[in-house]
Amino acid sequence: DSGVTQTPKHLITATGQRVTLRCSPRSGDLSVYWYQQSLDQGLQFLIQYYNGEERAKGNILERFSAQQFPDLHSELNLSSLELGDSALYFCASSVGAGRGQDNYGYTFGSGTRLTVV
Amino acid sequence: GDSVTQMEGPVTLSEEAFLTINCTYTATGYPSLFWYVQYPGEGLQLLLKATKADDKGSNKGFEATYRKETTSFHLEKGSVQVSDSAVYFCALAPGSARQLTFGSGTQLTVLP
Repeated sequence: DSGVTQTPKHLITATGQRVTLRCSPRSGDLSVYWYQQSLDQGLQFLIQYYNGEERAKGNILERFSAQQFPDLHSELNLSSLELGDSALYFCASSVGAGRGQDNYGYTFGSGTRLTVV
Repeated sequence: GDSVTQMEGPVTLSEEAFLTINCTYTATGYPSLFWYVQYPGEGLQLLLKATKADDKGSNKGFEATYRKETTSFHLEKGSVQVSDSAVYFCALAPGSARQLTFGSGTQLTVLP
């Protein structure tokens, strides 16, 4: 157990629907990152939150949004789902927001596998 | 932008063989470099890291050296085991940022 908890582990939904993926970071970590792993795009950074504030944004679609709550858990909301959104979505956490604060890489959860049918 | 290029897989080796997985990168400034490993059905685990030129990261018999002159961070292990079978990802974190840019991953299978 890495200490980063993602729920649900699997999700099957229809095109056009909306889903919410949840992540609880490792105890003491303030940063949460979301990544998408798909066969055609590989592993791509979506978005980072640090202590409740958006810190960096990657290749995140406008149909996707995220937030980090006061208890530091984070949710990734995916709407108007398309077949191409089927992927493994990973959450990761780290102590700090920048390299100078934490040089040890960060900790990944085991992912949520989303299947859009 | 930043990018990581990894050796194409899959790679199949016999137990106790020598392993090299090539990784080169393109980045501005001085990125930190990482190797992550993903076992079937699991998330990524940090295998080793290096934060500046000529640093050598090592863990569980794996090694990689940060070579700024060749912009490379090749992963090596002298004697692989069946339990090393997994997907290996090279990654970089640019400058003061923490978000990672990953390579495409290399599937390693070790046969007994």
